[in-house]
Amino acid sequence: GAVVSQHPSWVICKSGTSVKIECRSLDFQATTMFWYRQFPKQSLMLMATSNEGSKATYEQGVEKDKFLINHASLTLSTLTVTSAHPEDSSFYICSTGDRATYEQYFGPGTRLTVT
Amino acid sequence: QKEVEQNSGPLSVPEGAIASLNCTYSDRGSQSFFWYRQYSGKSPELIMFIYSNGDKEDGRFTAQLNKASQYVSLLIRDSQPSDSATYLCAVGSSASKIIFGSGTRLSIRP
Repeated sequence: GAVVSQHPSWVICKSGTSVKIECRSLDFQATTMFWYRQFPKQSLMLMATSNEGSKATYEQGVEKDKFLINHASLTLSTLTVTSAHPEDSSFYICSTGDRATYEQYFGPGTRLTVT
Repeated sequence: QKEVEQNSGPLSVPEGAIASLNCTYSDRGSQSFFWYRQYSGKSPELIMFIYSNGDKEDGRFTAQLNKASQYVSLLIRDSQPSDSATYLCAVGSSASKIIFGSGTRLSIRP
């Protein structure tokens, strides 16, 4: 499967600031990437589908102006959490998907803590 | 009704026994089914995938799919303490995205 990296692996920021998380597909040309959020003891929640060269598709209830997604190349998608608040503290995971098999290749995740 | 349902557990199984994890899904048109294992603080890793009715075996793991009943399961034979984790059932949807269940916490007791 594809190898996906994320940076940073963890980040602490102050309330009101913005944080950018990078997701890189190291050996796979990812036209589509997915961003998930996971709160403690809960399952993965799909936030948005990132499409290379076009706008991201957000899931219902996810604020697109707060969670900015950019997918400018086949190997990089970024998620920017703008004006972060403590309730945005979560584990953010990206993945790429194989269109033929639906198999997902996950990055290692980014732990965001907003103080 | 949730699209993918799992019992949250925890499911406690003695070491060496068979652990049985179950999942139901609502979309009859689904064609791809996955089991992921997730350790605390880590991202999910793929254990098994299955596309056809019946059983699929890989080492100690067996995935079972019954599309008529909209049911997919995962059996873990000879359970080891290292199998203790949360197991996520996932079903392929449109546009290459998959829908995850809420996960079942499995605990293997020595």
